[in-house]
Amino acid sequence: QVQLQESGPGLVRPSETLSLICSVSGGSISNGDSYWSWIRQSPGRGLEWIGYIYYTGTTYYKPSLKSRVTTSVDTSKNQFSLNLRSVTAADTAVYFCARGRSSSGAYYFDFWGQGNLVTVSS
Amino acid sequence: SYELTQPPSVSVSPGQTASITCSGDKLGDKFVCWYQQKPGQSPLLVMYQDTKRPSGIPERISGSKSGNVATLTISGTQAMDEADYYCQAWDVSTAVVFGGGTKLTVL
Repeated sequence: QVQLQESGPGLVRPSETLSLICSVSGGSISNGDSYWSWIRQSPGRGLEWIGYIYYTGTTYYKPSLKSRVTTSVDTSKNQFSLNLRSVTAADTAVYFCARGRSSSGAYYFDFWGQGNLVTVSS
Repeated sequence: SYELTQPPSVSVSPGQTASITCSGDKLGDKFVCWYQQKPGQSPLLVMYQDTKRPSGIPERISGSKSGNVATLTISGTQAMDEADYYCQAWDVSTAVVFGGGTKLTVL
């Protein structure tokens, strides 16, 4: 059973960079059929996909966030990370990491972390 | 950008059948999956590739698609099914897209 756990600060100041790490256990991050994703959920709102990173370092981001997002993967630690630059109050959300799977044109998330609430405030 | 539309809320009586819809342009050409999210919890995958149930998901939860509308059906609805449900698909222009979510209330 794959498990994911987010870690990082719960408070980030406006204009600074939000940084989170996702630690993966119960499976290798180098699994060739897994896409390691970040998804967020603003308080009382729906889900918003941010982007994914493959174990090779290949990335794919939501177009509207692409200019502010960077992700990286550390296969030796079985971790991947998120950096979101120039944050504003609109970036306040619970940030989830999740494992994405692709099969015959379908794309879905089968394992999720518990979520990390990040508040942007001075 | 690509959008998926869900009704904000659906109500159902215990033991009855609940149907939650998800519509989108050319959705018939894409695969849809569904997530259940209870308050304070992470989303749980309950359906993928339109009609496939992950291990551990009860058979009374099923998925279907007709034209550009996907439907998640919960038969014999129980109090434990009360949750928010999100559909999700992949679009070549927007990548991963989630629906706005549907709050299922078991009255």
